[in-house]
Amino acid sequence: EPEVTQTPSHQVTQMGQEVILRCVPISNHLYFYWYRQILGQKVEFLVSFYNNEISEKSEIFDDQFSVERPDGSNFTLKIRSTKLEDSAMYFCASSSQGARRMNTEAFFGQGTRLTVV
Amino acid sequence: TQLLEQSPQFLSIQEGENLTVYCNSSSVFSSLQWYRQEPGEGPVLLVTVVTGGEVKKLKRLTFQFGDARKDSSLHITAAQPGDTGLYLCAGGGTGANNLFFGTGTRLTVIP
Repeated sequence: EPEVTQTPSHQVTQMGQEVILRCVPISNHLYFYWYRQILGQKVEFLVSFYNNEISEKSEIFDDQFSVERPDGSNFTLKIRSTKLEDSAMYFCASSSQGARRMNTEAFFGQGTRLTVV
Repeated sequence: TQLLEQSPQFLSIQEGENLTVYCNSSSVFSSLQWYRQEPGEGPVLLVTVVTGGEVKKLKRLTFQFGDARKDSSLHITAAQPGDTGLYLCAGGGTGANNLFFGTGTRLTVIP
């Protein structure tokens, strides 16, 4: 069964460093998303990506964040100059159509646990 | 931002009992999904409901989408310890191209 894969599963980084979180979406999906879940809190939308550009982004997704699809399979989230409050689980998801359409199903990866120290 | 409130936030019940989890919003959603999340893992899709009033069954789980497409419920019959987890509802916005997640209900089923 096709699945979304994320690497690494756990990343520890020093405050101020840059991190890149990697995702391989399901191969025939066209819409890609990053979500964040701070420990014990709700899943928060960061950004959606379609046709090689950002489709929508939340207020969390400021200039510190960027996304890229460097080749035909990977989808990355870069966090520049990490802060302690960036510590969270980061989930990548993909879907065959956008959430604006009915019956959209998003499939999530296992997540990357980012710890900023 | 479209908000989805889930209730209860925490629920602890004995094996064999029935339970209902609610997902409410003041916004209309084009579709609504229910996910279950285990600790340290990503949300796993359980069901998608699309039509107002729609009812879907998945073994002991029954999902209903409100007539106005603003709310949904998840009913579990004869809960088992394997049902333990965080249940999340998520709505597809009519104007936004992403999923909005609810606040979550953490269910514990005690053997």
